[in-house]
Amino acid sequence: DTGVSQDPRHKITKRGQNVTFRCDPISEHNRLYWYRQTLGQGPEFLTYFQNEAQLEKSRLLSDRFSAERPKGSFSTLEIQRTEQGDSAMYLCASSGDWGETQYFGPGTRLLVL
Amino acid sequence: AQSVTQPDIHITVSEGASLELRCNYSYGATPYLFWYVQSPGQGLQLLLKYFSGDTLVQGIKGFEAEFKRSQSSFNLRKPSVHWSDAAEYFCAVGARRRSGGSNYKLTFGKGTLLTVNP
Repeated sequence: DTGVSQDPRHKITKRGQNVTFRCDPISEHNRLYWYRQTLGQGPEFLTYFQNEAQLEKSRLLSDRFSAERPKGSFSTLEIQRTEQGDSAMYLCASSGDWGETQYFGPGTRLLVL
Repeated sequence: AQSVTQPDIHITVSEGASLELRCNYSYGATPYLFWYVQSPGQGLQLLLKYFSGDTLVQGIKGFEAEFKRSQSSFNLRKPSVHWSDAAEYFCAVGARRRSGGSNYKLTFGKGTLLTVNP
């Protein structure tokens, strides 16, 4: 069990650019979650997948955000036309089918200039 | 909708002293409750969780927490703090689904930053 991994760990981009983050969950976990954490706040739920199906999306996930999990394994989170307000830590977590315990990755820290 | 309040933004304790971090939640039924710890620039590590049963739960690194339904609280405690415990601590609540036991969304408090003095 290597845990949840995320790539990249850090990303600096200019406003208006598109960025994509990747998350690899714990191998036997069918559920995958994305959260966003801004400075001084706790993580906020964005979306989650059960296998390849995206079952819930937060209102925080604007039209510029899209998440995929094409084969039910890794997931990508894309932000189009980034804005300075998108600067945050993006956390990925995974869990088993019952979802009782979510295990988090190290996060991707995004800075939009 | 569920919510979590962590009343203390920042706590400073001396190494070897006892610690209690407060957490109050709002949820219509018995929730799932969690404490996570986050070191600077890192992800979240699970310390302990409460689902049901014994209201005093033990976690890793010598931490424990007590679920008190009457007070809607889930406070985290440690009898003797080590310098390596300095980090940010988050309490979280998970909803129980009507279709059966699993939660899919955690709601976090704003966190308590713990500083440990030598």
